[in-house]
Formats: sequence, structure tokens, C-alpha cells
Amino acid sequence: SQTIHQWPATLVQPVGSPLSLECTVEGTSNPNLYWYRQAAGRGLQLLFYSVGIGQISSEVPQNLSASRPQDRQFILSSKKLLLSDSGFYLCAWAGTRTYNEQFFGPGTRLTVL
Amino acid sequence: DAKTTQPPSMDCAEGRAANLPCNHSTISGNEYVYWYRQIHSQGPQYIIHGLKNNETNEMASLIITEDRKSSTLILPHATLRDTAVYYCIVRVAGGNEKLTFGTGTRLTIIP
Repeated sequence: SQTIHQWPATLVQPVGSPLSLECTVEGTSNPNLYWYRQAAGRGLQLLFYSVGIGQISSEVPQNLSASRPQDRQFILSSKKLLLSDSGFYLCAWAGTRTYNEQFFGPGTRLTVL
Repeated sequence: DAKTTQPPSMDCAEGRAANLPCNHSTISGNEYVYWYRQIHSQGPQYIIHGLKNNETNEMASLIITEDRKSSTLILPHATLRDTAVYYCIVRVAGGNEKLTFGTGTRLTIIP
């Protein structure tokens, strides 16, 4: 069966510090991968998605970047965090078959102080 | 993706059926209706999807109107663990299509 891991689960970082969140998927190959952010009391916002190694699409201009160095690894990064980067970050994967439902990881709660 | 409209919140008594409505009046012919839910502080969980026929699985039933402009998610015997935000999403199936989440319906199951 497929599983998706995210770490860390929680993170508190000062403004201006770098960020690296990691997501890995097991039990599947060549998944589509997604990074979402959920600000407090808000809906989910898609940040990035990837259909393959090294292929990243950005949905919104922002202070963040994403990379996919391996087939089942998706990394979210920032060189300098802003207060507005606080939120709940979720990684998701989807297969490439017809119905393509997405499966979400446990999330990382980031607080920027 | 077509937009959806859901009530912001609903209550349902434990053990009763929870019926969550969703309007998607601009849905296209090749767009599916998907439902996800998000329990507090967890990632969203896929529930069910459909195109035009009613669908049922171990979690829920999905009723889509004949004109496909609205649908209802039914949790037949709601439990306290069903308390969550429920998202109705319409999108083209397959390929690399992304999900666009609205604000959903916050369902509270009352003991």
C-alpha cells in the first residue's frame, strides 16, 4: 500500500530564516506530487505541483520554491521566511490513472515568529 | 475548474444521516464531482467521486442531480468522528489536474 510522509510535524522559525520541508511517498512510482498551504481558518491553497523529477509548476507567486530531486521526494523551501508564510503545509500525491484522487500527508504546522 | 457553493456549516445528530449539499451550476460535461473531508489538524481525506450516476462506497453515497448542477454527499449514520470540514470539488479527471479547494462545509455531529 502507498504511504506519504512529511516532516517535521511542527516547526517554529524566526523571520528571515531558511526553510526546508520534506515529503516522501512509498509504494508507488511516478506519482504527481503537490504542495498545499492552509492558513489559519482558510481553505487549502495549491502552491506547487510536479509531474516528474525536476518538473515543478508554481501556482502562485510567493516566497517559496519547490524541488523534486527524486521520483518520490518533494521538497518545499524558502531562503528567508516571512510572517505570512505561517500555516499548515500539506503534501499530496496522486496516481496518473483516470480518476486521480489525491492522498494527503499528515502536514507540517509552521509558525514564523 | 468550475466553482462550487457549499453552506459554511451544518449540524447533524449522531446516528442520523448527514446530507451535505453542493451547487456546481457551471460544471462542464467532462468534469467530475469529488468530495474530500478534513478532520481538524489532519490532511484532507478522499471520500468519493462521480460523474453523473449516483455512487456509493464504504464511507458515503453521492447523489448527483440529472442536470449535474448540484450534488449531495450522504453519510448514512453519522458518528462523532465524522465531524470535519467537507469539500466539494469539480474538476476534469485524469492527467495532472490539480484540486481547487474552497472553504467547504464544517459539519458538526452532535451527541
